[in-house]
Amino acid sequence: DTGVSQDPRHKITKRGQNVTFRCDPISEHNRLYWYRQTLGQGPEFLTYFQNEAQLEKSRLLSDRFSAERPKGSFSTLEIQRTEQGDSAMYLCASSLAGTRNYGYTFGSGTRLTVV
Amino acid sequence: AQTVTQSQPEMSVQEAETVTLSCTYDTSESDYYLFWYKQPPSRQMILVIRQEAYKQQNATENRFSVNFQKAAKSFSLKISDSQLGDAAMYFCAYRGPYNNNDMRFGAGTRLTVKP
Repeated sequence: DTGVSQDPRHKITKRGQNVTFRCDPISEHNRLYWYRQTLGQGPEFLTYFQNEAQLEKSRLLSDRFSAERPKGSFSTLEIQRTEQGDSAMYLCASSLAGTRNYGYTFGSGTRLTVV
Repeated sequence: AQTVTQSQPEMSVQEAETVTLSCTYDTSESDYYLFWYKQPPSRQMILVIRQEAYKQQNATENRFSVNFQKAAKSFSLKISDSQLGDAAMYFCAYRGPYNNNDMRFGAGTRLTVKP
């Protein structure tokens, strides 16, 4: 296991189109997080899963955003009817519940550009 | 709500010298965790160093050390013998004591290392 993988690395889409990103966490990690990072800012929390259950969603996660983790392994983040304001880096991270002092392991992110 | 503030958007250091990045945070909790993450250009965020609030001893990882001042709610990162590979965005992060996602990030400091 080489860490958290995200696909694609880059995505350019036209406004109004739907996009889907994938995250594969570290296999033994049961928690998976999605963050959004805009230029010059730190990551902002979107949502997280413990196993297949989505336990928390940020107010940043509008109705156009949906995330799933159907089998408690990989996760997908879908954005419907994309807007230019959705352009950002979308980061995925994973951790093992009960190891709060170890922080998260991040993926390389998916950079979304909405034109 | 917990907030994390990094007041230095950019810092510069000469190779082999020492630089200190500042971070302050706001919390009403007594037990929490603090982290510094490094994000090189177009690469994933990696954990540099972590500190448990109940530990008085400042954490050290090779050339990286922290100055944790709990009363002042300050958590600065010192990089000694700076190397060109240290050039990156550095994010300070706070995580609370409870069993949910509450990791909050500062806006980051861009560190430039001059040869």
